[in-house]
Amino acid sequence: GQQVMQIPQYQHVQEGEDFTTYCNSSTTLSNIQWYKQRPGGHPVFLIQLVKSGEVKKQKRLTFQFGEAKKNSSLHITATQTTDVGTYFCAPFLYSGAGSYQLTFGKGTKLSVIP
Amino acid sequence: KAGVTQTPRYLIKTRGQQVTLSCSPISGHRSVSWYQQTPGQGLQFLFEYFSETQRNKGNFPGRFSGRQFSNSRSEMNVSTLELGDSALYLCASSSETGGRYEQYFGPGTRLTVT
Repeated sequence: GQQVMQIPQYQHVQEGEDFTTYCNSSTTLSNIQWYKQRPGGHPVFLIQLVKSGEVKKQKRLTFQFGEAKKNSSLHITATQTTDVGTYFCAPFLYSGAGSYQLTFGKGTKLSVIP
Repeated sequence: KAGVTQTPRYLIKTRGQQVTLSCSPISGHRSVSWYQQTPGQGLQFLFEYFSETQRNKGNFPGRFSGRQFSNSRSEMNVSTLELGDSALYLCASSSETGGRYEQYFGPGTRLTVT
């Protein structure tokens, strides 16, 4: 099936530093979702990107979808300890007849040093 | 609205046994998906149900099965448990209205097979 590569796998940052995680696909994606999972928690939906070149912001979080719709990124400005967790990208694959599934990347685990 | 609930939260089983996990979606959500999460393989899609019909299935052996009831509640069953089935099993529901397909995850069932 369709696979996405997420990099880096781990990232340790000092509180206040910026953080970026990248999601790359070898094929064109129809859309992509991003989720955050706190330690011991469950994934929580952050955003869905659909359009080529789309940029969406949520406070300190900026999400981008590449022009070719083969990559996406999540950038966090001035990280805080509340940003700790694993960030997953998940292409949404719609295969017709109402059938679809999310294929999650391996995730980027973010640690924030206070 | 109440969130997605899963029961039980924790389960310890022995190899060869079978197990049934339950998921109650958010009221009004008709799509329910199941995922297996392990440290090595990450989040993997098991199957998705919509209106009591399995719409999509991941790459798991036939020991993994599921069903959905008329009230959208779903169960998944794993027969002949193996040590490798130890994982966090997550259920997610989706409303699929207005072109939005975000998944709302439950807290998961932590299954340990000994």
